[in-house]
Amino acid sequence: EAQVTQNPRYLITVTGKKLTVTCSQNMNHEYMSWYRQDPGLGLRQIYYSMNVEVTDKGDVPEGYKVSRKEKRNFPLILESPSPNQTSLYFCASIPQRGKTSTDTQYFGPGTRLTVL
Amino acid sequence: AQTVTQSQPEMSVQEAETVTLSCTYDTSENNYYLFWYKQPPSRQMILVIRQEAYKQQNATENRFSVNFQKAAKSFSLKISDSQLGDTAMYFCAFMERSRGTYKYIFGTGTRLKVLA
Repeated sequence: EAQVTQNPRYLITVTGKKLTVTCSQNMNHEYMSWYRQDPGLGLRQIYYSMNVEVTDKGDVPEGYKVSRKEKRNFPLILESPSPNQTSLYFCASIPQRGKTSTDTQYFGPGTRLTVL
Repeated sequence: AQTVTQSQPEMSVQEAETVTLSCTYDTSENNYYLFWYKQPPSRQMILVIRQEAYKQQNATENRFSVNFQKAAKSFSLKISDSQLGDTAMYFCAFMERSRGTYKYIFGTGTRLKVLA
């Protein structure tokens, strides 16, 4: 089944304890992206990646890191989480251009993160 | 900068009735894409409908249709014969391709409740 997976789905942690949220897609998509969703603010882009080893900042990158060593994986790293990073996080991917691409994003199931 | 505005934070509709969710956007681009995503209580982001800006014909998907007014920069979603399963948060999104990458902007969402 074609899908985007995220792990963990729920995480409660404490300030300053490094964590990684994994994201994997099995659709051979080139473009991947991370968003955070907060009440009243919609979804805001954190980082995106156009391909392996190519990443760039979105609108709210502060406090986050990403890597893209393989096409299918795009982990989100919080080196020193703070309470203002408590949020719902989504990973998403888009098919390659020109290959039945509809430029539509496919979303993972979301990760609910709480930083105490 | 592109912006997406959803001016109705919450709406309700009786089962089997019709409801329209509004969305306006601002851009100086001529080629772009517009989307409506549904987020039920499960938090999964589900694509409802998609509209290419270069197409004059309004997109439809079963009970869901849009009223796309390019000059007015308006992209409303009409849900006909509302069902209890339509209860969800709905996000309007704008997307453009720029320099080989994608730029997605989401609205703040409209919470729709379908009443029995």
